Amino acid sequence: GENVEQHPSTLSVQEGDSAVIKCTYSDSASNYFPWYKQELGKGPQLIIDIRSNVGEKKDQRIAVTLNKTAKHFSLHITETQPEDSAVYFCAASKGLYGNNRLAFGKGNQVVVIP
Amino acid sequence: DADVTQTPRNRITKTGKRIMLECSQTKGHDRMYWYRQDPGLGLRLIYYSFDVKDINKGEISDGYSVSRQAQAKFSLSLESAIPNQTALYFCATSDLQGRAFFGQGTRLTVV
Repeated sequence: GENVEQHPSTLSVQEGDSAVIKCTYSDSASNYFPWYKQELGKGPQLIIDIRSNVGEKKDQRIAVTLNKTAKHFSLHITETQPEDSAVYFCAASKGLYGNNRLAFGKGNQVVVIP
Repeated sequence: DADVTQTPRNRITKTGKRIMLECSQTKGHDRMYWYRQDPGLGLRLIYYSFDVKDINKGEISDGYSVSRQAQAKFSLSLESAIPNQTALYFCATSDLQGRAFFGQGTRLTVV
């Protein structure tokens, strides 16, 4: 099945700097790549996603880029703020029609230092 | 009100006891999931259901069972709890576009 890996496991950034988290996936048939943010004591929440027919997607301070050839995708957070401190999970799937499910990475702890 | 609601939020139980974690959703999704979260291990899929008559094992189903009572309800049972089942458990739903929506989680401690 699909194997998703995230790097680094922990990332500390100064407030106002940018943060980048990278994920790699193993199944070239995967075509849907979401990112989830988990704040302390809460469930993961979808923050941005991208499909394989798009190379980049932006939503205010966050963006996701996809490199299908290298089989990796990255989350970019610009102008980081303390509220960006959380665990971030990437995931991949071949679309949910049929018997396909999201495969999650192990998560990245992002710490924004004021 | 939350779209995906889990009860209880916290539970301490003894080894060997049977325990049920409940999940209900108001999003109208057919697909529901149970995940387990342990530090450093991410989200691991226990069971999933694509409709009321469908139940499928995930990657770590041993020691667990589920029941899909209705489109909106999906419960997870530990028939005989053991300490290494101590974890944070999440219920989730997904829409046909693939977007998953998680509950707030149930923190289970088996002593």
